[in-house]
Amino acid sequence: AQSVTQPDIHITVSEGASLELRCNYSYGATPYLFWYVQSPGQGLQLLLKYFSGDTLVQGIKGFEAEFKRSQSSFNLRKPSVHWSDAAEYFCAVGARSQGNLIFGKGTKLSVKP
Amino acid sequence: DAEITQSPRHKITETGRQVTLACHQTWNHNNMFWYRQDLGHGLRLIHYSYGVQDTNKGEVSDGYSVSRSNTEDLPLTLESAASSQTSVYFCASSDSGSYGYTFGSGTRLTVV
Repeated sequence: AQSVTQPDIHITVSEGASLELRCNYSYGATPYLFWYVQSPGQGLQLLLKYFSGDTLVQGIKGFEAEFKRSQSSFNLRKPSVHWSDAAEYFCAVGARSQGNLIFGKGTKLSVKP
Repeated sequence: DAEITQSPRHKITETGRQVTLACHQTWNHNNMFWYRQDLGHGLRLIHYSYGVQDTNKGEVSDGYSVSRSNTEDLPLTLESAASSQTSVYFCASSDSGSYGYTFGSGTRLTVV
């Protein structure tokens, strides 16, 4: 069955520190992979997506993610976190044959001053 | 500017009542989706549509229905609201093949 696992429910980092949010997926075919961010009381905003090609993808707000097929992972990274990055982050997976996405349960990011 | 709007933003209803949540998009997207978001469960797919007159059940479709009579709208109906349907509901749309969802701002539904 298709699934997405985000192992960390809540992460706290200091402002200026680096960030890595983990995402593992289970999918029968080559997946399309996404990261979304949700600020409190808001809908989700697309950060970045991977369809094919270069396994390191750049997104908005200084985020990047790396697709590792051998590890079934698509971890999100940022070199230096800003207080405005505090939000909830969702990893999602889809396939060419389907238009709908499966979402992980999310990781809440808190940023310490 | 194109947008996707959900209404109402907040609603309180009683158990057993029929409730309809509206979703309207002006992106001219073929694909539209309804998700519910609950603490500890993330987003779970309720129903989705790939075009006019097309509807499909998602992971948690029991107690919900949708209809797609035009490109712009995908209303979600709770036939007989239950307390277990208290949740935040998100509508999303995407163009065929793009998979870049655009989300609405959500509807917070409370069933008492």
